[in-house]
Amino acid sequence: DAGITQSPRYKITETGRQVTLMCHQTWSHSYMFWYRQDLGHGLRLIYYSAAADITDKGEVPDGYVVSRSKTENFPLTLESATRSQTSVYFCATGLAGVDTQYFGPGTRLTVL
Amino acid sequence: AQSVTQLDSQVPVFEEAPVELRCNYSSSVSVYLFWYVQYPNQGLQLLLKYLSGSTLVKGINGFEAEFNKSQTSFHLRKPSVHISDTAEYFCAVSDRYKGNTPLVFGKGTRLSVIA
Repeated sequence: DAGITQSPRYKITETGRQVTLMCHQTWSHSYMFWYRQDLGHGLRLIYYSAAADITDKGEVPDGYVVSRSKTENFPLTLESATRSQTSVYFCATGLAGVDTQYFGPGTRLTVL
Repeated sequence: AQSVTQLDSQVPVFEEAPVELRCNYSSSVSVYLFWYVQYPNQGLQLLLKYLSGSTLVKGINGFEAEFNKSQTSFHLRKPSVHISDTAEYFCAVSDRYKGNTPLVFGKGTRLSVIA
């Protein structure tokens, strides 16, 4: 049972490039979340989704785009990467009505 | 809106000593409370959570936390730490009336256990 997988695990890109981070789950959890983790800030929510085709902004959505055409996938796209988007990105899932969230292993993104 | 304050960014402690990691929250609504642990180069793992009932919550790896509504606190404790407890610990809250809502995290406390 793979649970939550994130790919790539590490990514180096350049300013201005488009980057897509993938999140895939095998549990059929309805909720999926994207957080970024930065030193001194803890984890901050970027976007989340309550179900396929339903997404909502979090605390720091600017510069990011998400989609959820299938329950199991929740890709996060940086349309034009900036150095301030250098971070560790975590995907999480959860069941409706149950408050535990399950986290993936993270993607470490460096924007040069 | 909710916010979480973890009062210590770093806590060094000797092996087998007790430890307390402090967490205070602010919210205009009733909340659920969580502690997550992050080991080096890994994702977050749930340690324990308070949803309702007894204010003393026991979690994995010998950790426990106590919900204090009057002080809006949810401090994490362990009576005797091990080297393997070295990790980053995050306190988090969510709105209890909105189902599986996004978590609001504190900035984390780095626990370093010294041999």
